[in-house]
Amino acid sequence: EAQVTQNPRYLITVTGKKLTVTCSQNMNHEYMSWYRQDPGLGLRQIYYSMNVEVTDKGDVPEGYKVSRKEKRNFPLILESPSPNQTSLYFCASSAREDEKLFFGSGTQLSVL
Amino acid sequence: QKEVEQDPGPLSVPEGAIVSLNCTYSNSAFQYFMWYRQYSRKGPELLMYTYSSGNKEDGRFTAQVDKSSKYISLFIRDSQPSDSATYLCLGGTSYGKLTFGQGTILTVHP
Repeated sequence: EAQVTQNPRYLITVTGKKLTVTCSQNMNHEYMSWYRQDPGLGLRQIYYSMNVEVTDKGDVPEGYKVSRKEKRNFPLILESPSPNQTSLYFCASSAREDEKLFFGSGTQLSVL
Repeated sequence: QKEVEQDPGPLSVPEGAIVSLNCTYSNSAFQYFMWYRQYSRKGPELLMYTYSSGNKEDGRFTAQVDKSSKYISLFIRDSQPSDSATYLCLGGTSYGKLTFGQGTILTVHP
């Protein structure tokens, strides 16, 4: 089954404790991207990747890191999480940047 | 100024009504536009996609783009309770940057 898999679905952590949210797709997609969703603000793009080893900043990259060492994986790293990063996070992939996005199930992150 | 501004709603309409959802954008680098539908806390799903100015129809849904006025719309005909969701417009560039609007919450009541 074609899918984007995000883990974990729920995560509660404390300020400053490094964490990684994993994202994996099995569709051989070139384009992958991360979003955060906050009430009243819609989905905001954090980082995107057009292909392996090619990443670029979206609208809200501060406090986040990504890497794309393999085509299928695009982890989101929070080196020192802060409470303002409490949000619902989505990973998405598509064959190309201008094609339909396939979204993961989301990760609800709470930073205390 | 946000690059994509979406009428926030919320909208509440009776079943069978025609719904109009609207966005404006400011980034001239946007080359394509999409509409996504999102049910509560789930990943969004693509509804409509268009590159050019004009109308595109798919069943009960019509997407409209006016690049001269930087305005995009989604019309839903014969709305159903199952259409109740959050609708998100999106503008995309050729270099991969995607910008969503804030989303409009739609409720269709029987």
